Amino acid sequence: SQQGEEDPQALSIQEGENATMNCSYKTSINNLQWYRQNSGRGLVHLILIRSNEREKHSGRLRVTLDTSKKSSSLLITASRAADTASYFCATDGPGGNMLTFGGGTRLMVKP
Amino acid sequence: DVKVTQSSRYLVKRTGEKVFLECVQDMDHENMFWYRQDPGLGLRLIYFSYDVKMKEKGDIPEGYSVSREKKERFSLILESASTNQTSMYLCASSLRGSMDTQYFGPGTRLTVL
Repeated sequence: SQQGEEDPQALSIQEGENATMNCSYKTSINNLQWYRQNSGRGLVHLILIRSNEREKHSGRLRVTLDTSKKSSSLLITASRAADTASYFCATDGPGGNMLTFGGGTRLMVKP
Repeated sequence: DVKVTQSSRYLVKRTGEKVFLECVQDMDHENMFWYRQDPGLGLRLIYFSYDVKMKEKGDIPEGYSVSREKKERFSLILESASTNQTSMYLCASSLRGSMDTQYFGPGTRLTVL
């Protein structure tokens, strides 16, 4: 079963708008990571947030983590057509050795 | 930059064939992983390895085996390919365990006829 579940499954916005994707998970974690995947390619790491952190920024990306609600959000500000991709959250789950990925959010940014 | 390469981008095999998928990383990473990705199911871990000759089962190991004879190379083997193994296969590596970033290869799209 998937540890992380992204919401929404698909999102379509205009260039320049902000995009927010959410991730919920079931069990306690040490860290949560976000990855991006362009169509038909491998995943690229975006950002890692540890369980004792609440917010992290990287360029136009802002990630928040609420361990009490077992949820995280990824905000992409001032989106560009090049941001069109699928975005996945991944958690290290109960075992600690493996990452478990959610089903992803497909983001389309229209020029 | 970390580079993870996979032997083929596209592969077509017949049912019953033995299939080898190769993955090589150039950053001396301890950990290597094999995932499969299917629409609506996300990425599912097949096997991972935390050291040479060491392996651990992931969520869906049935029908697969792996080999790690050298630190930089992790092979996924389908002993007798079946049509339900048609999928995108992704290899990844990380310096340490799950606390670290995973670096992914470009993927191999395998079709079993």
